[in-house]
Amino acid sequence: TQLLEQSPQFLSIQEGENLTVYCNSSSVFSSLQWYRQEPGEGPVLLVTVVTGGEVKKLKRLTFQFGDARKDSSLHITAAQPGDTGLYLCAHDLLASGTYKYIFGTGTRLKVLA
Amino acid sequence: GAVVSQHPSRVICKSGTSVKIECRSLDFQATTMFWYRQFPKKSLMLMATSNEGSKATYEQGVEKDKFLINHASLTLSTLTVTSAHPEDSSFYICSARASRTIANYGYTFGSGTRLTVV
Repeated sequence: TQLLEQSPQFLSIQEGENLTVYCNSSSVFSSLQWYRQEPGEGPVLLVTVVTGGEVKKLKRLTFQFGDARKDSSLHITAAQPGDTGLYLCAHDLLASGTYKYIFGTGTRLKVLA
Repeated sequence: GAVVSQHPSRVICKSGTSVKIECRSLDFQATTMFWYRQFPKKSLMLMATSNEGSKATYEQGVEKDKFLINHASLTLSTLTVTSAHPEDSSFYICSARASRTIANYGYTFGSGTRLTVV
């Protein structure tokens, strides 16, 4: 069961455009991670957000953690074809005394040259 | 540091045979490893949590007898797909973490195994 909903599911934009991807849950996160995955490879960690309201920047990528720590966004400025990939949010979940690591539903981004 | 090696990267097997996928933490001890399955253009779906020295915890809907998980040491977890069928064809990914510390955010992932059952 996916507890993390991402939107949009798919996004196709032209090079140079801006975009925002959202990650939402009804649960409060202690921390949240964002990953990027290319076909045939494992996910690569982009950032971890911990504090409500936190904003982190990674070159043209801006990550924001919601004040209530139940949602997060990823904004890409002036998208490049190299940004194409599957973007995933993820977080730890403690269930029945066991930690699980759960991924969001994913956003497939395609940036056209 | 924190490298996870997954092997094989690609395997083709005949229907009815079993396939073993290995996940090794190369430079740290992994008390917990996770196994995921990923369908084309979809997100990673957690299959099971593998804990060193104890039985794996499977997610709802995942057949324990179909997907055997063994975490016999602090550096190795294996996933065996038994009596594989074409519907088991998928991309399987493992991840590992050393311990739950405030500095240990994020997890290290293997590069995945593409299983094709013919």
